[in-house]
Amino acid sequence: QKEVEQDPGPLSVPEGAIVSLNCTYSNSAFQYFMWYRQYSRKGPELLMYTYSSGNKEDGRFTAQVDKSSKYISLFIRDSQPSDSATYLCARNSGGSNYKLTFGKGTLLTVNP
Amino acid sequence: NAGVMQNPRHLVRRRGQEARLRCSPMKGHSHVYWYRQLPEEGLKFMVYLQKENIIDESGMPKERFSAEFPKEGPSILRIQQVVRGDSAAYFCASSPRVSGHSSYEQYFGPGTRLTVT
Repeated sequence: QKEVEQDPGPLSVPEGAIVSLNCTYSNSAFQYFMWYRQYSRKGPELLMYTYSSGNKEDGRFTAQVDKSSKYISLFIRDSQPSDSATYLCARNSGGSNYKLTFGKGTLLTVNP
Repeated sequence: NAGVMQNPRHLVRRRGQEARLRCSPMKGHSHVYWYRQLPEEGLKFMVYLQKENIIDESGMPKERFSAEFPKEGPSILRIQQVVRGDSAAYFCASSPRVSGHSSYEQYFGPGTRLTVT
């Protein structure tokens, strides 16, 4: 069982839509979760990280962790064409606080 | 405030040649991580280094791969006798320290895309 599972999409939405991106994880040890955004042919860009269950908000982005169901989500409000990218969820793994395990990414396209 | 820098951005090598990938961390960061992204795969951890020390190389293939982070200069990921299966994007990340939240805040460079022909 993979540590982080992510729906690969692709996901296509109209501009202004609310986007929901989701990951599930196994293994409850050391629970830091991150969301990265990766534009085509670029490096991943850290969007948000969170530790506890509940929501963390930053502008149009909200990260949500549900530890009881081992589910993590990223919501994007008022989506823009510039949000078109691959979104990667990640968590620490292997009992360490630095070794990150990534999902394969969800490709998002926001159509103007 | 320069981010993580990697060079070259693209590297083409023939089978059997050596590949050297360089990474300069963000200013003030002393921890470097290398990840590999194979086509259709997620990023995979390879190695974690501090200045002059390899902290964790559990993700590195046992043969042909090595990494260093000298006291002066960039971190280098070295692949000897490359094979076609080594073709991938190699990303370097850095963080300011490994305590509290900071080690999770890994900032990635633009990557080096290695093609083995």
